[in-house]
Amino acid sequence: DAMVIQNPRYQVTQFGKPVTLSCSQTLNHNVMYWYQQKSSQAPKLLFHYYDKDFNNEADTPDNFQSRRPNTSFCFLDIRSPGLGDAAMYLCATSRDSLARGDEQYFGPGTRLTVT
Amino acid sequence: GQQVMQIPQYQHVQEGEDFTTYCNSSTTLSNIQWYKQRPGGHPVFLIQLVKSGEVKKQKRLTFQFGEAKKNSSLHITATQTTDVGTYFCAAPYNNNDMRFGAGTRLTVKP
Repeated sequence: DAMVIQNPRYQVTQFGKPVTLSCSQTLNHNVMYWYQQKSSQAPKLLFHYYDKDFNNEADTPDNFQSRRPNTSFCFLDIRSPGLGDAAMYLCATSRDSLARGDEQYFGPGTRLTVT
Repeated sequence: GQQVMQIPQYQHVQEGEDFTTYCNSSTTLSNIQWYKQRPGGHPVFLIQLVKSGEVKKQKRLTFQFGEAKKNSSLHITATQTTDVGTYFCAAPYNNNDMRFGAGTRLTVKP
């Protein structure tokens, strides 16, 4: 039973054409995260939501935005994708704070190609 | 920013040999987590270490957390082809700012 679901699994977009990636969770977790993972690199945190509170990483480009309309869903919007934005985008959840010892559950990821 | 350093970047072993990957932080960590990512897959949580000097075992995998809570290691005894993948350590900075190590890619020759 999938707990963190990402759609689509593969997405192709054109240079500069806005694209939205979606994530949903059945775990009822408070925290949802978006990571960018490029080939042979570690996942890099873009931002996360603790409930409705949005937390942006300092070095996340303005080109990346996120929305969390309810507990179950979170979206990643890339306003003007560049070739350098081609990557795997991973959604993850945790019940509560990682610093308090909660683990992260990752979705299967969406592989974004920019042409 | 704060980072977790992980070595080696790659490790190629013969099946049956042991494997170890190490992580180091310049700051004291509240906890450290380990994830495995198979080729083409997503990171999967393996374990979390919280206490100073903690040692946990999962079958052939042994995880250690240093006394100062600044370093950690994952050791696999007698590797198998199913162990292939990239192993990441990760630690939270602030409440939910998870920083991943660069990962160690393990390949196993049958």
